[in-house]
Amino acid sequence: DTAVSQTPKYLVTQMGNDKSIKCEQNLGHDTMYWYKQDSKKFLKIMFSYNNKELIINETVPNRFSPKSPDKAHLNLHINSLELGDSAVYFCASSQALPGLAGDTQYFGPGTRLTVL
Amino acid sequence: RKEVEQDPGPFNVPEGATVAFNCTYSNSASQSFFWYRQDCRKEPKLLMSVYSSGNEDGRFTAQLNRASQYISLLIRDSKLSDSATYLCVVNPGDSNYQLIWGAGTKLIIKP
Repeated sequence: DTAVSQTPKYLVTQMGNDKSIKCEQNLGHDTMYWYKQDSKKFLKIMFSYNNKELIINETVPNRFSPKSPDKAHLNLHINSLELGDSAVYFCASSQALPGLAGDTQYFGPGTRLTVL
Repeated sequence: RKEVEQDPGPFNVPEGATVAFNCTYSNSASQSFFWYRQDCRKEPKLLMSVYSSGNEDGRFTAQLNRASQYISLLIRDSKLSDSATYLCVVNPGDSNYQLIWGAGTKLIIKP
């Protein structure tokens, strides 16, 4: 059984489109994250939810909107896609917040987004 | 100065050799540290956590030097399967609940 799953794995789309990426974890974790990894391989946190509450909201364009319908799911919706949005988007989860016991983050396989 | 810095490499190392690389961090209040490995086109996976002076897991040893603000990763008897990018991760211990990720050190083990 996959612990953290994301769909789709690959996403190729035109500029200006709206797309969503879904993430689910079956680990029973309380905290979920969205990261962006660009071509230079830096992993940058975008959002984090703890018990469905938004706790990290980094400086990302408001075209990106996360939604957590329940603790096991964290989806990412992107409006008006731009060329610079092309990257790999990773979902992750952890039992606890960073700095607390159980804060190891487990990652999904990533969604490779290409905007043409 | 970047918050977490790593030598990007690549480190080209013959199979069976010992290799070590460091990661420096800028925030002296940082509380916990991790090494993740990321294979090409795959997700990062936790390799080791480093909570005190260091720890060892088989062929892997991680050490923390708080005075000089760096952590190191030592791999002994390297295997071909150790080829990956090793990401250094730092918990700055503030209230932002964010981990700070290094850009990674690429390791290539050659037969």
